[in-house]
Amino acid sequence: AQSVTQLDSQVPVFEEAPVELRCNYSSSVSVYLFWYVQYPNQGLQLLLKYLSGSTLVESINGFEAEFNKSQTSFHLRKPSVHISDTAEYFCAVSDPGAGSYQLTFGKGTKLSVIP
Amino acid sequence: NAGVTQTPKFQVLKTGQSMTLQCAQDMNHEYMSWYRQDPGMGLRLIHYSVGAGITDQGEVPNGYNVSRSTTEDFPLRLLSAAPSQTSVYFCASSYSGPLVGDTQYFGPGTRLTVL
Repeated sequence: AQSVTQLDSQVPVFEEAPVELRCNYSSSVSVYLFWYVQYPNQGLQLLLKYLSGSTLVESINGFEAEFNKSQTSFHLRKPSVHISDTAEYFCAVSDPGAGSYQLTFGKGTKLSVIP
Repeated sequence: NAGVTQTPKFQVLKTGQSMTLQCAQDMNHEYMSWYRQDPGMGLRLIHYSVGAGITDQGEVPNGYNVSRSTTEDFPLRLLSAAPSQTSVYFCASSYSGPLVGDTQYFGPGTRLTVL
């Protein structure tokens, strides 16, 4: 079964500073990778995903993530954060090669943007 | 479209009571799933369904039952509530599910407390 590790449970960062949220997954031949964001008292919503093709994927609000197969990582980055980015971020993986209908989530990283 | 709706938003139960958490979607999605979210644990899959009449267990199915009689609805039943089931429950749906990398659409959640 797949597993996802988010190494940092909390990340405080000053407004307009860069941020990286780390995500590693257990090895597999082929995977689909996702980042979901949860704003306070809301459900999760998709931020970006990697299915195939270019290893660098971008979201509409300035986040990007790079799929690194050799390091089994899918780190999320933003060059300059805003107060409104304060939220909890979840990395998730699915394993189509195993024929699994399950989506496995990491434990989440709480991003706090400090004014 | 209302998207994914969940009722109730909040619920307090006594140990041993039963209840049903409701989930409905109006996007004609075949795949629906239930997660529980606990602090520091991320989201864990309880049950999922790939279409009407078809359900399967996820990572933490014990103590929960599901059925899928229509495409739109996917209720989650707690037969005899226990304090360990205190959690926030999220329902999610997508066209074909994680097997093809579909984006999951989440409901707003139900916060359940079992005394």
